[in-house]
Formats: sequence, C-alpha cells, structure tokens
Amino acid sequence: TQLLEQSPQFLSIQEGENLTVYCNSSSVFSSLQWYRQEPGEGPVLLVTVVTGGEVKKLKRLTFQFGDARKDSSLHITAAQPGDTGLYLCAGEEVQGAQKLVFGQGTRLTINP
Amino acid sequence: KAGVTQTPRYLIKTRGQQVTLSCSPISGHRSVSWYQQTPGQGLQFLFEYFSETQRNKGNFPGRFSGRQFSNSRSEMNVSTLELGDSALYFCASSLDGGYYEQYFGPGTRLTVT
Repeated sequence: TQLLEQSPQFLSIQEGENLTVYCNSSSVFSSLQWYRQEPGEGPVLLVTVVTGGEVKKLKRLTFQFGDARKDSSLHITAAQPGDTGLYLCAGEEVQGAQKLVFGQGTRLTINP
Repeated sequence: KAGVTQTPRYLIKTRGQQVTLSCSPISGHRSVSWYQQTPGQGLQFLFEYFSETQRNKGNFPGRFSGRQFSNSRSEMNVSTLELGDSALYFCASSLDGGYYEQYFGPGTRLTVT
C-alpha cells in the first residue's frame, strides 16, 4: 500500500498569515485530492488534481500537484478563522486496486 | 438534492457481536465507497461498490463485508466485533465510480465495548 505523509500534523497561526501544507509520497498517484473535515462531519472534497505540475486555485487556496505526481501542496493566503479544520490529502493508487490512500491530516487552527 | 445519508449515526455494540451500517447515496450516484476513521490510523479505504458489484477492496480482514442493492443503497457488515473496530465509518458516493467527485456522508460512530 502506498503511503502519504502530511506535514505539519498541527498548525496554529494568526488570522491573515499564509501557510502551506505538504503531502508527500515515494509512490506515484494517478490523482490526488484534498479534503477538509469538520468535527462530527464527513470530509468535503476541495479539489482533485490529475496532471503532474497542475495548479488549481479555489479563492485563497492554491493546490499544486508535483511534476512526478508523488507530492502535493496546499497553500492558503491570508488565512481566516473559517479556514480552521482538518485538511486531508488522498491519493488514488496507480498499481493494484484502485483505492484511495489518505494522509494522516493536518489540523489547522486560525486564531482571530 | 439530498446528500449522502448514513444510519444509524451512533451505535454501541459488545465484543463478539455483529453490526450492519447503512448508506443511501445521492440520487443517481452508482458508486459507494466505505471508509474507517480512527485516531491512530486515520481514514482507511474499506471497499467500493459499483452497480451492485464490489470493484475494489482495502486491506481489512474478511470480517468486514458489504453489499449494494439495485437502488445503489449500500450496507456494510462487521462480524465478530473487536474493540479495535471502534471507529467512525463513512460512506461516500460518486456518480460513475472513481474518486474525482466523491461526496461523504456524516458517518456512523461505532463503539465496541
């Protein structure tokens, strides 16, 4: 099973600051997704990246898929308290069963 | 359009018992995937069903099984429950399978005592 490592696991910053969350693996994925999860709720899909080097923007959030399709990053500009939550990356395996492998998550807290 | 629904939301079972969790996907969605979330292991893929057939399976023991009905509703069964099965169980549905546009339900919290 391919593994995805997210860093940092915990991040607490002030409102208005910028931040980047990383998702790394030694394996190649056919696609990579980012989710956000609130306590007591299921994950909500933010974006799916498919092509190596792909960059997608969602308002203040910028997602990038590495050229080799082994890693990804999520950058938030001018973070707001509403961005607080658990951010999860998930990669679709290339080899073997087409299952989704999740990272351990980054718990982000934005302080007003 | 109604979202993915899961029942029950909370469940307490005793070790050795079995449990069945239910998932109703978004109308028109034919793929349902199941996931287990624990503090130690995070979110892990259990299996995926598409048009009543299991297409993909994660690395879980045979005690974990599922099925999908002709109306795309899905059930997950865990037999001979162990303490380590205590977790949040999510199902997610998508239109044509795959994970590109996958919508998660609110989850079922299972506690095994």
